[in-house]
Amino acid sequence: GDSVTQMEGPVTLSEEAFLTINCTYTATGYPSLFWYVQYPGEGLQLLLKATKADDKGSNKGFEATYRKETTSFHLEKGSVQVSDSAVYFCALSDRSGNQFYFGTGTSLTVIP
Amino acid sequence: SQTIHQWPATLVQPVGSPLSLECTVEGTSNPNLYWYRQAAGRGLQLLFYSVGIGQISSEVPQNLSASRPQDRQFILSSKKLLLSDSGFYLCAWSHGADEQFFGPGTRLTVL
Repeated sequence: GDSVTQMEGPVTLSEEAFLTINCTYTATGYPSLFWYVQYPGEGLQLLLKATKADDKGSNKGFEATYRKETTSFHLEKGSVQVSDSAVYFCALSDRSGNQFYFGTGTSLTVIP
Repeated sequence: SQTIHQWPATLVQPVGSPLSLECTVEGTSNPNLYWYRQAAGRGLQLLFYSVGIGQISSEVPQNLSASRPQDRQFILSSKKLLLSDSGFYLCAWSHGADEQFFGPGTRLTVL
């Protein structure tokens, strides 16, 4: 079945460091891919998405490229801020649109 | 614009008591609706999803149930809570394979 695997956390970085959170997926067909962010005590918010191969999603300095050949959707940011501290979830939706699959989440802490 | 509401925001219940959590969506029609549970420091566990009124799919056998009495209303229930039911419950909606939109969540503590 479809699934998402993302790197284990927690991740601790200094402010202005480069961030990569790895995400790979297994799916039949051509899923849509998403990154969500969750701040403490809140629901998940969509950070970015890509709906087909080679698409790049971007938002708030974060980027991720849909790589079909490596079945990956790694999240990157060139310079993190303290306000980026949160839990990040990689996810995919199957083409039926009824099922979404989430990774286990990666906790990021950015220290000044 | 679309909004999703969940209540209550926080709930403390004794073991063996009943549960009813409500989720409503505004500004859209015929959404797919989902209930997730997130244990402390853990990922999301899909509990139920619904593609229409009265249509409920259960992903995990447990003492919880869900109902969809109206197009934009999704209710999570239990007749007798267990300690293991504690967690953060999230409702979400989507249209097809497009993104999911999440509610603010309900923090449930079972004592």
